[in-house]
Amino acid sequence: DGGITQSPKYLFRKEGQNVTLSCEQNLNHDAMYWYRQDPGQGLRLIYYSQIVNDFQKGDIAEGYSVSREKKESFPLTVTSAQKNPTAFYLCASSKDGIYGYTFGSGTRLTVV
Amino acid sequence: QQQVKQSPQSLIVQKGGISIINCAYENTAFDYFPWYQQFPGKGPALLIAIRPDVSEKKEGRFTISFNKSAKQFSLHIMDSQPGDSATYFCAASRIQEYSSASKIIFGSGTRLSIRP
Repeated sequence: DGGITQSPKYLFRKEGQNVTLSCEQNLNHDAMYWYRQDPGQGLRLIYYSQIVNDFQKGDIAEGYSVSREKKESFPLTVTSAQKNPTAFYLCASSKDGIYGYTFGSGTRLTVV
Repeated sequence: QQQVKQSPQSLIVQKGGISIINCAYENTAFDYFPWYQQFPGKGPALLIAIRPDVSEKKEGRFTISFNKSAKQFSLHIMDSQPGDSATYFCAASRIQEYSSASKIIFGSGTRLSIRP
C-alpha cells in the first residue's frame, strides 16, 4: 500500500543534541512538508519542498533544517538551536497544488 | 491575513446528537477548505473538503456549510457516534494549479468527545 512512513514513532533527545526525523513516501508525490503540532496551536509549517534539491522555509523554520536528495525522502533535523523542540512532528506529501495532503503517523520528540 | 480561527477548542456531544465546529478565515484568496480528522497518536486524515463556489457539501453524516460573504465555514456531524471522537482541524489554502505544492493553513483544532 502506498503511504508515508515516519520513524521513529518516539524519540528522546538530550538538550544540546541534534536529532534527525525520517520521512519516506512511496506515493510518487512531488511535494513534501513538515509540520509541528503542539496542544491548542494546531499544525504549524516548518519547511516544504516542491521538487528534489529545493525547499522553502515555512512559518517556524528557525532551529530546523531539511534536505531533499531523493523524491521519496524528506528528513528533518532538529538542531540544538531550537529552543523548545518537544512536540509531535508530522510529515505530509501532496500530488499537486490542488488537493490536500496525505500525512504520516508522526514522530513524538521529547527533550530530556 | 493568513489565520484560520477555529472554535470551540473542545466539544462534548451525546451519542446521536449533532456536532458543530466553526471556522473563520481572513484571506479572500483562499479557495480550498478541507477538514481533517485526527485520532490520538496518528496523523490527520482528510475528511471532507469544499470549494467556495458551493454553499454546502455533504458526505454521509458529515456536512460542510460555507458562507463566502461572512468568510466562515463549519462542519456538522449528524447522528454523532463514539467512533467520531477525535480532534478535528479546519484548514484553508489557495489552489496552485501549476505547482506541486500548496501551503495549507490549519485552525487550532477541536477535540470532540461523543458520550455514549
